[in-house]
Amino acid sequence: DAGVIQSPRHEVTEMGQEVTLRCKPISGHNSLFWYRQTMMRGLELLIYFNNNVPIDDSGMPEDRFSAKMPNASFSTLKIQPSEPRDSAVYFCASRPPLAGGNNEQFFGPGTRLTVL
Amino acid sequence: KQEVTQIPAALSVPEGENLVLNCSFTDSAIYNLQWFRQDPGKGLTSLLLIQSSQREQTSGRLNASLDKSSGRSTLYIAASQPGDSATYLCAVRNGGSNYKLTFGKGTLLTVNP
Repeated sequence: DAGVIQSPRHEVTEMGQEVTLRCKPISGHNSLFWYRQTMMRGLELLIYFNNNVPIDDSGMPEDRFSAKMPNASFSTLKIQPSEPRDSAVYFCASRPPLAGGNNEQFFGPGTRLTVL
Repeated sequence: KQEVTQIPAALSVPEGENLVLNCSFTDSAIYNLQWFRQDPGKGLTSLLLIQSSQREQTSGRLNASLDKSSGRSTLYIAASQPGDSATYLCAVRNGGSNYKLTFGKGTLLTVNP
């Protein structure tokens, strides 16, 4: 089975440009998470979708960040305009419907973003 | 606000040693605790998940323990191998949330042949 798929794997852009990160969750999973990982702050949850609906976007740093999930098999995280401090590794994770208290999330390989 | 701390930040050991990684959390009202492994350029792989009612979980050479009341967990790796070299992260799922994980910053483990 394919795991969580993210693209691109690496992105280098210049300050002020728009950046779009993509994620395909595992088929059958109904929860999707976007995380950001930096040396200073570690892994932080940006936004959580359940059944394609944003449930918690309190971790989105500012209005320059937006996320969408138009269907169960695709999500995007967009940064517009990008800034050097957005440089980080962005992970997408998905989770199957809750059953028996198991909440294991399955992570994609991440997108390493560098904003010059 | 839940905070998760992992000590040490980095650890280097010779092959064959048994080792312990530590994780502490400030709010003991957790639902469960999970240990992950992260390899360079790759995502996180779940190693062990301990429910708050459990004391430990084992998988092969790995054993994770949980002392919820003191806010501590350890990951014990027996007979370490160079292939164990990676960053190990612990994460807690807070009670009252069915999704929110709070992560530590990880321990970078290097096992030298």
